[in-house]
Amino acid sequence: KAGVTQTPRYLIKTRGQQVTLSCSPISGHRSVSWYQQTPGQGLQFLFEYFSETQRNKGNFPGRFSGRQFSNSRSEMNVSTLELGDSALYLCASSSGGGTAGETQYFGPGTRLLVL
Amino acid sequence: SQQGEEDPQALSIQEGENATMNCSYKTSINNLQWYRQNSGRGLVHLILIRSNEREKHSGRLRVTLDTSKKSSSLLITASRAADTASYFCATGINAGNMLTFGGGTRLMVKP
Repeated sequence: KAGVTQTPRYLIKTRGQQVTLSCSPISGHRSVSWYQQTPGQGLQFLFEYFSETQRNKGNFPGRFSGRQFSNSRSEMNVSTLELGDSALYLCASSSGGGTAGETQYFGPGTRLLVL
Repeated sequence: SQQGEEDPQALSIQEGENATMNCSYKTSINNLQWYRQNSGRGLVHLILIRSNEREKHSGRLRVTLDTSKKSSSLLITASRAADTASYFCATGINAGNMLTFGGGTRLMVKP
């Protein structure tokens, strides 16, 4: 099976702009999670979508939002970008039907730089 | 906030030596997982250990879990230069797939 794919891989934006990142999970996987990785805060959970519904949400401001489509593909959006949003954004997928904390399959990430 | 703290933050060893990384966490968990990350790329799942398990092996990897001490360790035996990476522990608590990651251990294996 093809792995998790994320587009774009690299992105440069300026403060105040908005950005949309895309994630295609492994075929058959229904759960998609998003994580932000920065040198200062490490890996932090943003949100998880399962069957088009947000199932879990991390402690991020409302500028961060996401959605999942019927084919399980997911997008996350960040509005009114701030310099601190510069990070590696990782998407992970899993089958979604198991108990808490299934094995996650990560994509290569989207590296966002906000100038 | 991070659930886990990893120790050491950085580790440098020679090829062939064993590498041990430790992870402590704060709350009760359903399971604990270890991931590897090479140079700011995506994470690769290594092993998952459930809360009712004490030890698990996968190839050159050995993971232990002590729920009474809220800690886990990852042992990589006979390390290779290709093992150079950052290693993260992650805990699953809630229903669903919200993982809380530790700060990671940067492992360098010198040839």
